[in-house]
Amino acid sequence: DAKTTQPPSMDCAEGRAANLPCNHSTISGNEYVYWYRQIHSQGPQYIIHGLKNNETNEMASLIITEDRKSSTLILPHATLRDTAVYYCIVRALNSGYSTLTFGKGTMLLVSP
Amino acid sequence: DADVTQTPRNRITKTGKRIMLECSQTKGHDRMYWYRQDPGLGLRLIYYSFDVKDINKGEISDGYSVSRQAQAKFSLSLESAIPNQTALYFCATSDRDSYNEQFFGPGTRLTVL
Repeated sequence: DAKTTQPPSMDCAEGRAANLPCNHSTISGNEYVYWYRQIHSQGPQYIIHGLKNNETNEMASLIITEDRKSSTLILPHATLRDTAVYYCIVRALNSGYSTLTFGKGTMLLVSP
Repeated sequence: DADVTQTPRNRITKTGKRIMLECSQTKGHDRMYWYRQDPGLGLRLIYYSFDVKDINKGEISDGYSVSRQAQAKFSLSLESAIPNQTALYFCATSDRDSYNEQFFGPGTRLTVL
């Protein structure tokens, strides 16, 4: 799996957009970008994934640069419940049966 | 109702006791997984199952065993619990076509004294 780099922490005001960056400069052509989050002591939650086109679902949007070396997860209107650790993971679509490697992620703190 | 449930949510036990953690899912997924999470070590895979008859060891299976009683149920057992098995345990499921989209249960906090 390609290595990812994320800032350790970010702050966001409630109601504003939270833009979470991820660098993955060694990504291979068959690798997707996945995002998960983990609210304190809860199970990780899948958010979204993409290959090269921008993706949007009910939780977030994923913007992947044209060279695919970085991406941004966007929470359009952050709420206090979005406070969590966000993980960017790069893996081939069906990577075999190995552990999802979550790394250290970005701790997003949403404040009133 | 939650798609992936785990019981118990919290358990305190003593060294040498046998413990079973249970996981049930209503997502209809074929794949099920057991992970443990320790501070600073991230998630580590204990066992995974592709279907009722297919069970595989993960990276840290020693001291654990599993049972896939049905498509929807996957249990993790600690035959003789030891203190370094104190951790947060998560069950997860995934569709057969997408291993990387895993859906996690709420976790079981296990303390072995």
